[in-house]
Amino acid sequence: AQSVTQLDSQVPVFEEAPVELRCNYSSSVSVYLFWYVQYPNQGLQLLLKYLSGSTLVKGINGFEAEFNKSQTSFHLRKPSVHISDTAEYFCAVSDYGSSYKLIFGSGTRLLVRP
Amino acid sequence: GAGVSQTPSNKVTEKGKYVELRCDPISGHTALYWYRQSLGQGPEFLIYFQGTGAADDSGLPNDRFFAVRPEGSVSTLKIQRTERGDSAVYLCASSLMGGQGARNEQFFGPGTRLTVL
Repeated sequence: AQSVTQLDSQVPVFEEAPVELRCNYSSSVSVYLFWYVQYPNQGLQLLLKYLSGSTLVKGINGFEAEFNKSQTSFHLRKPSVHISDTAEYFCAVSDYGSSYKLIFGSGTRLLVRP
Repeated sequence: GAGVSQTPSNKVTEKGKYVELRCDPISGHTALYWYRQSLGQGPEFLIYFQGTGAADDSGLPNDRFFAVRPEGSVSTLKIQRTERGDSAVYLCASSLMGGQGARNEQFFGPGTRLTVL
């Protein structure tokens, strides 16, 4: 069964510094990949997704992620973070065969400090 | 337009009681999903509806959990004989149609926080 690993439970970073949130998934079969953000007391919001095509995906709020099939990774990056980026970030995957079902990682809390 | 709404936002109940959680999807969305998010974890898939029918209920943990969507819009997640381990945030999402094409983004509601004492 598919699984998603987010090794970093929390990532502290200073404002305007770059950040990378790591995500690895278990299977090399054809997958769709997603990053969601969850602000306190709000629902999950889609940041970006990889369905096919270019392996570098750009999303909202200046975030981007790169799909690496050989390393089964989909790391999220932002060159310069803001205080407002403080939130929980979830990586998710779905298989082509059951593409409606999102399998989520355990999340990474990004804490941006002034 | 209005997003996915869920009621109640918070529900506290006693062990052994029955609860119903409601989800109002975005108007016109044919696909609806329920997920459960335990403390410190990512959401876990419970069930997927396409229209009125449950296309995949493989994530329901046991037969105490049941969900319906009788008119293809509002959905209710029902939990019988609640246990302390059922305490979690229950998330609902909807999408224009099933699958993960460019038009099929899942939009999530704010969730219902269920606490079983």
